[in-house]
Amino acid sequence: EVQLLESGGDLVQPGGSLRLSCAASGFTFSSHAMNWVRQAPGKGLEWVSTIGTTGGNIYYGDSVKGRFTVSRDNSKNTLYLQMDNLRADDTAIYFCARRGGIDGWGAFDSWGQGTLVTVSS
Amino acid sequence: EIGLTQSPATLSLSPGERATLSCRASQSIASSLAWYQKKPGQAPRLLIYDGSNRATGITARFSGSGSGTDFTLTISSLEPEDFAVYYCQQRNKWPITFGQGTRLEIK
Repeated sequence: EVQLLESGGDLVQPGGSLRLSCAASGFTFSSHAMNWVRQAPGKGLEWVSTIGTTGGNIYYGDSVKGRFTVSRDNSKNTLYLQMDNLRADDTAIYFCARRGGIDGWGAFDSWGQGTLVTVSS
Repeated sequence: EIGLTQSPATLSLSPGERATLSCRASQSIASSLAWYQKKPGQAPRLLIYDGSNRATGITARFSGSGSGTDFTLTISSLEPEDFAVYYCQQRNKWPITFGQGTRLEIK
């Protein structure tokens, strides 16, 4: 069974930093691109970042570019999101999600339960 | 950036009725569209990928159609557990974008 378990969410002050982790199990982690998606309170889903299977293809949404850094450790089956210079509008539940499909770049077919990041003074 | 416009914003129906949700893209995205169901406190769930393919374990009540710029998610006969928010998503071009969602509520 595919499992994705996020951790690292917390209350942080504006301008602060946080690192999220997503531990994967039940599938060959290194064969799938991975993603971060967030949902702010009362809002819709927003794509944040995607990282390719080896970490060589990385993409960010405009709202986080230059402040967030995605990475992965295939030896530990873990996805990371380093979040710097946090702002109030980064407050959201952050989900990690696996990309499915034969090539591992398909739709987001498995999701974690999310971790809450609150940016407030 | 490719915009996705979902309509209606809210759909009020009764169990047993048929639901039709629309997603329109600002430019052609071929068939690179997925539909997700989101309930409060739960992770999003993939329903349909590549426009019309049901994801693993998804009941045949859910069907997707369309290509290019116009897509539809149909729920043939609503069950109580189907009332949720539904999002479309395109992966044809970066950045990946989601629609703003359609809330399906019990009438």
